Amino acid sequence: EEQLVESGGGLVQPGGSLSLSCAASGFTFSSHWMSWVRQAPGKGLEWVANIKEDGREKYYVDSVKGRFTISRDNAKNSLYLQMNSLRAEDMAVYYCARDLPHRGGYFPHYHYYYYMDVWGKGTTVTVSS
Amino acid sequence: DIQMTQSPSSLSASVGDRVTITCRASQGIGNYLVWFQQKPGKAPKSLIYAASSLQSGVPSKFSGSGSGTDFTLTISSLQPEDFATYYCQQYYSYPLTFGGGTKVEIK
Repeated sequence: EEQLVESGGGLVQPGGSLSLSCAASGFTFSSHWMSWVRQAPGKGLEWVANIKEDGREKYYVDSVKGRFTISRDNAKNSLYLQMNSLRAEDMAVYYCARDLPHRGGYFPHYHYYYYMDVWGKGTTVTVSS
Repeated sequence: DIQMTQSPSSLSASVGDRVTITCRASQGIGNYLVWFQQKPGKAPKSLIYAASSLQSGVPSKFSGSGSGTDFTLTISSLQPEDFATYYCQQYYSYPLTFGGGTKVEIK
């Protein structure tokens, strides 16, 4: 069974740091892009970042650029999110998700777009003094 | 950034009703759209990808349509387990963006 389990959430003061982890099992982790998505209390979903299979491409939402870093360790089947300079507005449940490719374009100029299918249960980050 | 607008933001429906939720993108996104279902306290679940392709294991009462800027999610016959919040999300360009959600409640 494909499974993602997040950990590392907790209470942190504004300006502090926290590192989240996501352990993957039941699929070939190294063959998939991976994402982090967050949900503030009572709010909707917000994509945070994603990372290519080999870690060489990374994308971020503007609000976390320069503060958050997504990374992965394929040998450990693990995804990470290092969060620095945390703000009250970063308080949320953080989910990791597996990305699947959707091929677009026409031969030979294919391009791949990635959507999230399997999600973890999330880990809660609270930012408060 | 591409803005995704869902309507309605909430609706009340009865068991057995046919329900349609609309999602509009601020610019064309082809068919690079996914629909999620989320129940309280749970992670989102993928229902539809590529605007109209049913995710494996999802019942056929769910269907999606549309391309470009206008998309719909339809539940053909609402069941008690379908009461939840539904989100659309575009994956055509970064940053990936979600609609604000549609909460489906029991009438």
